[in-house]
Amino acid sequence: GAVVSQHPSWVICKSGTSVKIECRSLDFQATTMFWYRQFPKQSLMLMATSNEGSKATYEQGVEKDKFLINHASLTLSTLTVTSAHPEDSSFYICSASRRGTETQYFGPGTRLLVL
Amino acid sequence: QKEVEQDPGPLSVPEGAIVSLNCTYSNSAFQYFMWYRQYSRKGPELLMYTYSSGNKEDGRFTAQVDKSSKYISLFIRDSQPSDSATYLCAMSLTSSASKIIFGSGTRLSIRP
Repeated sequence: GAVVSQHPSWVICKSGTSVKIECRSLDFQATTMFWYRQFPKQSLMLMATSNEGSKATYEQGVEKDKFLINHASLTLSTLTVTSAHPEDSSFYICSASRRGTETQYFGPGTRLLVL
Repeated sequence: QKEVEQDPGPLSVPEGAIVSLNCTYSNSAFQYFMWYRQYSRKGPELLMYTYSSGNKEDGRFTAQVDKSSKYISLFIRDSQPSDSATYLCAMSLTSSASKIIFGSGTRLSIRP
């Protein structure tokens, strides 16, 4: 159990367009979901934390109007990169945790390339 | 100074060797300590999870936490080529289901 999926696995878009990435917990209800960004050969940096039905909490330096997060249900969270620019190209990874457990389960990641 | 320091490597060892991976940290309030394995272009996979100081063993993997020295280690016995990956140490204040601070990762290569 505790499988997290992401869609799409990779995406290429033009500068100025918006891209939506989905994160789903397939076999459990995720009370909290996390969004991370990872640049090549660097570690995961937390962007925001979202609880189902609540507004996301963004880390310092992360623009909430640029990275829109929606956690509409206990199994789905979406990250929308608005007006994407080449510097937004990165590996975006979500994780999910369920109430009563001590673990975050990570998705396989989405590679975004903005041309 | 970063909250969590980890040597990026790369570290290359022959198959069958014992591998030692380490991290240091600055925040003495960290209570939960984790090691993740990440293959190229994949999400991290939880390997070991430890609360507070002490040792924990799972198969070929042993995690050690020394809170007095702010130092954690992961040992891999009888290393296999399939262990080649990037290993990330991570820690959090309240639980591993809360905000996690990751190390930069150590790239490990096991030579057949």
